[in-house]
Amino acid sequence: AQTVTQSQPEMSVQEAETVTLSCTYDTSESDYYLFWYKQPPSRQMILVIRQEAYKQQNATENRFSVNFQKAAKSFSLKISDSQLGDAAMYFCAYSGGSNYKLTFGKGTLLTVNP
Amino acid sequence: DTEVTQTPKHLVMGMTNKKSLKCEQHMGHRAMYWYKQKAKKPPELMFVYSYEKLSINESVPSRFSPECPNSSLLNLHLHALQPEDSALYLCASSPGVAGTYGTYEQYFGPGTRLTVT
Repeated sequence: AQTVTQSQPEMSVQEAETVTLSCTYDTSESDYYLFWYKQPPSRQMILVIRQEAYKQQNATENRFSVNFQKAAKSFSLKISDSQLGDAAMYFCAYSGGSNYKLTFGKGTLLTVNP
Repeated sequence: DTEVTQTPKHLVMGMTNKKSLKCEQHMGHRAMYWYKQKAKKPPELMFVYSYEKLSINESVPSRFSPECPNSSLLNLHLHALQPEDSALYLCASSPGVAGTYGTYEQYFGPGTRLTVT
């Protein structure tokens, strides 16, 4: 069974600084998708970034980028120039094969200090 | 437009009440999902609809009854709930259920905060 592990229950960062959130996963599939979702206190879950495992190039969306290490089964999220609006719970998620399910990690609560 | 809407935002109901949650998307997505989320926990999948047909029921109690009247609408009918059913109920949609390598990205609504008294 696939598992997703986020080892940092909480993280904090100063405004304008850079922070990296960790995620590791376990799978026997060779091709799959990985996602980072953000859920602010207002509660709507927002897709931040997506990575296809068959792509070697790391995905980037504005200030958000990933470091995808397929062999190590690691998928970390880097947030550059952190803003107060980045404060949220961040969930790493996996989907592979013909599986209809998203497997979520337990989440990392990010605090941004002014 | 990547918007999924949900109504109501908040719902308080007694254990003998019958109520419904509504979800709507106009992105042409063919898969829709219901999730239950407890505070500071990841969402737990409840149901999956694919092309307006129920394809997955994650062993959810019968007091939760989903309905998909058309490709844009998803309802969740609630009856005889228990206090432990109090949670945030999230709806999501995606272009399809699963592609070659896994499920497509899912777009979530803002949720309905349900309190059962």
